[in-house]
Amino acid sequence: EVQVVESGGGLVKPGGSLRLSCAASGLTFSKAWMSWVRQAPGKGLEWVGRIKSKTDGETTDYAAPVKGRFSISRDDSTNTLYLKMNILKTEDTAVYYCLTDPGDWPDYWGQGTLVTVSS
Amino acid sequence: DIVMTQSPLSLPVTPGEPASISCWSSQSLLYKNKYNYLNWYLQKPGQSPQLLIYLGSDRASGVPDRFSGSGSGTDFKLRISRVEAEDVGVYYCMQALQTPFTFGPGTRVDIK
Repeated sequence: EVQVVESGGGLVKPGGSLRLSCAASGLTFSKAWMSWVRQAPGKGLEWVGRIKSKTDGETTDYAAPVKGRFSISRDDSTNTLYLKMNILKTEDTAVYYCLTDPGDWPDYWGQGTLVTVSS
Repeated sequence: DIVMTQSPLSLPVTPGEPASISCWSSQSLLYKNKYNYLNWYLQKPGQSPQLLIYLGSDRASGVPDRFSGSGSGTDFKLRISRVEAEDVGVYYCMQALQTPFTFGPGTRVDIK
C-alpha cells in the first residue's frame, strides 16, 4: 500500500523559511514523480510544484505564486521528498499535501501538514 | 494556464437519489494517446482529498461503483448513481494534462 506522510509544518514569521518533508513507502520512490498541493484555510486546492525522477532529469516546475521562493528536492536513498519554502508570506498559510504525481495512474495523498505564516 | 470550471457549486442531495457534477476545461484534456487527463477528487470534512476517478473515467481502487466519470475534450461529468450519506463533502475536478495542474473551484455536496 502506498503511503505518504508529511511533516515539518508550524508557525513562522513573514519573511522566514521552513522545510517540509514527505516520507513515502509502498512504491518505487526513485521512479516516482512527486507533487505538492496546498489548501489555504476554507479555500480550494492549489498545485504548488513537481519534481520528476532522477532518470527523467529530476527537473522541477512550480506554480507562479511560489516560483523563485520555493524549491522541491528529493532523496531517493531515504524515500523522502522535500519542500523548502523561503521568503514566506501570510498568503502561504495553508495545509500542504504531498502526493504522487497525477497523470496516467492513481495518485496518493498524505494527510497534510499545516504551515501558518504570521507575526 | 488551463482554467477549470465546475457546476453547480452547491448541491443538496437526497440519499438514494442520483446526482451529477459537471466540469469544463478551457483547453482540451485529450492527449494524443486517446486519454483524457482529468481527475475527480472528494474531500470529506476534515480529511485530505481522495482520488475517485483518473483519466476521465477510471475508478481508483476501493471507490464504490456508484461513482462514474465520463466526458472527453473539454466537457466532463461525475455521476453518483445513488447518493449515500458518506458521500458528503467537496468534489473537485483537476486537469493533469500539463503543469501547472489546475483544479476546479469545488462542488459542495450535502444532504437535504
